[in-house]
Amino acid sequence: GAVVSQHPSRVICKSGTSVKIECRSLDFQATTMFWYRQFPKKSLMLMATSNEGSKATYEQGVEKDKFLINHASLTLSTLTVTSAHPEDSSFYICSARDGLAGGYTQYFGPGTRLTVL
Amino acid sequence: QKEVEQDPGPLSVPEGAIVSLNCTYSNSAFQYFMWYRQYSRKGPELLMYTYSSGNKEDGRFTAQVDKSSKYISLFIRDSQPSDSATYLCAMSAASGSRLTFGEGTQLTVNP
Repeated sequence: GAVVSQHPSRVICKSGTSVKIECRSLDFQATTMFWYRQFPKKSLMLMATSNEGSKATYEQGVEKDKFLINHASLTLSTLTVTSAHPEDSSFYICSARDGLAGGYTQYFGPGTRLTVL
Repeated sequence: QKEVEQDPGPLSVPEGAIVSLNCTYSNSAFQYFMWYRQYSRKGPELLMYTYSSGNKEDGRFTAQVDKSSKYISLFIRDSQPSDSATYLCAMSAASGSRLTFGEGTQLTVNP
């Protein structure tokens, strides 16, 4: 099946710093990528939908100035958590859809665990 | 009311048991139904995908969708300890569009 990678897998940072998370589709071109966050023992909450070459669409309640999303190529999307605070600590997961193949399936990355001290 | 309801469990069964996992939903626009398996500290992995009502079987897994009742199920036969994970149902109104997830059911299969 299609492979999606995320980097880093884990990051610990101080409050006030910015953190960038990369999401890559390794063997297909992802016209659309999705960013989720997941709290312990909770389901995935969609943060934003990212289309290659255009601005991301954010879900209600998600601050676009805090969670910057860039989808500059068909294989890479980045999420930058700006001025991170302890409440931003969470598990961030991306998924990618193989739009060129007309597929419906979202392939998920392994996730990035962010801890803000 | 949540769009998708899923009993979070936890559910604990002996090895070899048949496991039944379920979700209900309220949005009649949902047409595409998926089951994902998520191991601890990992991303979700697609297990089953079904379009509209009906059954789909893949090895030990069977997915059922009853749109008239707005109810979907995942059955696992001959459950194994390696099946221990959180199972998430997900659904969408259009192919490839945003997914709405259930809360996930934590399953433990005891050897």
